[in-house]
Amino acid sequence: DGGITQSPKYLFRKEGQNVTLSCEQNLNHDAMYWYRQDPGQGLRLIYYSQIVNDFQKGDIAEGYSVSREKKESFPLTVTSAQKNPTAFYLCASSVRPAPGQGNTEAFFGQGTRLTVV
Amino acid sequence: ELKVEQNPLFLSMQEGKNYTIYCNYSTTSDRLYWYRQDPGKSLESLFVLLSNGAVKQEGRLMASLDTKARLSTLHITAAVHDLSATYFCAGPLLGYSTLTFGKGTMLLVSP
Repeated sequence: DGGITQSPKYLFRKEGQNVTLSCEQNLNHDAMYWYRQDPGQGLRLIYYSQIVNDFQKGDIAEGYSVSREKKESFPLTVTSAQKNPTAFYLCASSVRPAPGQGNTEAFFGQGTRLTVV
Repeated sequence: ELKVEQNPLFLSMQEGKNYTIYCNYSTTSDRLYWYRQDPGKSLESLFVLLSNGAVKQEGRLMASLDTKARLSTLHITAAVHDLSATYFCAGPLLGYSTLTFGKGTMLLVSP
């Protein structure tokens, strides 16, 4: 079945550690996104990528890093510089929008819940 | 900067009642999306509204889009407990490739 797979489902991070969240899709989508969700905050965009080997910062990129070496994969690293990383992280993908057109529908993975211990 | 505002943020209603969730957005957008999220789960796509005047219905939910008023509505008819969830609207700023989400409306339907 086509879809987006995030792993792990739950992740615990010690203070000062870097951790990497995995996101893989087999939908043949060009665009991929990372969102962070905190209670009462909705979803906030961390990073996005429209094509392999290219990505852009979203609204809250500080303390995070990404790579896009393959079309199918868009891992997110939460670095020790992110002071409050406890949150629910959602990866999404979509067909790349045509120039001048609004975004196409985004499909979401099942999420990774990260907790600092 | 595109801003998306939903209201109400919390809605408690009885089964069988009707209600509407509103989604206002601040700048030009040619489409609007509605998602559903169950507690601890990911987002599930509900409706894709692609043009002014678009109306879509699925079961007890009906969504509409008025691009001139920059307003989308999600109407709930004869609510049932299974509709309890958080509903998000999201819009793309025209020409940009990312979605901006509202804060979500937590809907609780009780007997």
